[in-house]
Amino acid sequence: GAVVSQHPSRVICKSGTSVKIECRSLDFQATTMFWYRQFPKKSLMLMATSNEGSKATYEQGVEKDKFLINHASLTLSTLTVTSAHPEDSSFYICSAMGSDTQYFGPGTRLTVL
Amino acid sequence: AQSVAQPEDQVNVAEGNPLTVKCTYSVSGNPYLFWYVQYPNRGLQFLLKYITGDNLVKGSYGFEAEFNKSQTSFHLKKPSALVSDSALYFCAVREEGGYQKVTFGTGTKLQVIP
Repeated sequence: GAVVSQHPSRVICKSGTSVKIECRSLDFQATTMFWYRQFPKKSLMLMATSNEGSKATYEQGVEKDKFLINHASLTLSTLTVTSAHPEDSSFYICSAMGSDTQYFGPGTRLTVL
Repeated sequence: AQSVAQPEDQVNVAEGNPLTVKCTYSVSGNPYLFWYVQYPNRGLQFLLKYITGDNLVKGSYGFEAEFNKSQTSFHLKKPSALVSDSALYFCAVREEGGYQKVTFGTGTKLQVIP
């Protein structure tokens, strides 16, 4: 139980394009999902908290117009990186809250050329 | 404010030996404590958690952790390390009651030497 999927697992895009990453809780419903960014050999940086049916809450320093988050259902949240630039290249990980515990997706490696 | 400290960037242990990965925390109220493991280019996998009850918590893959309130610690342990245990381990904490963001430690790289 408590499986979270993330798609795509890896994406390469050109600078200036937008990329959408999907996060799904497969066997449970999650009113709250989280989006993290992880730099090499570093801990997780929380970008935003996504609540079903309402606007996401962004952490300080995270541009909400650049990182668009939508949580349209209890099993799906999406992160869209708009007008991506090479500095946006990173490992993005989502998690979904279930039974007092965060369960994580496998991550998406974004490379912006 | 809540915080987590993992004092060791890396822990090396010989295969078959017991392992310990340290974690201390700070919260205002009662803590919810978690351990996760991350393999290269993968997301975090949940290992175990302490919410309430017995101080010794058993989790996946033979791991266990002991909640010590007086020392505000939640060290991860395993009696006999496997080479396949080599990974990055994260401790996390949040405060009991209501919705609280989880705070993660900086991670400890565990290297099990054959």
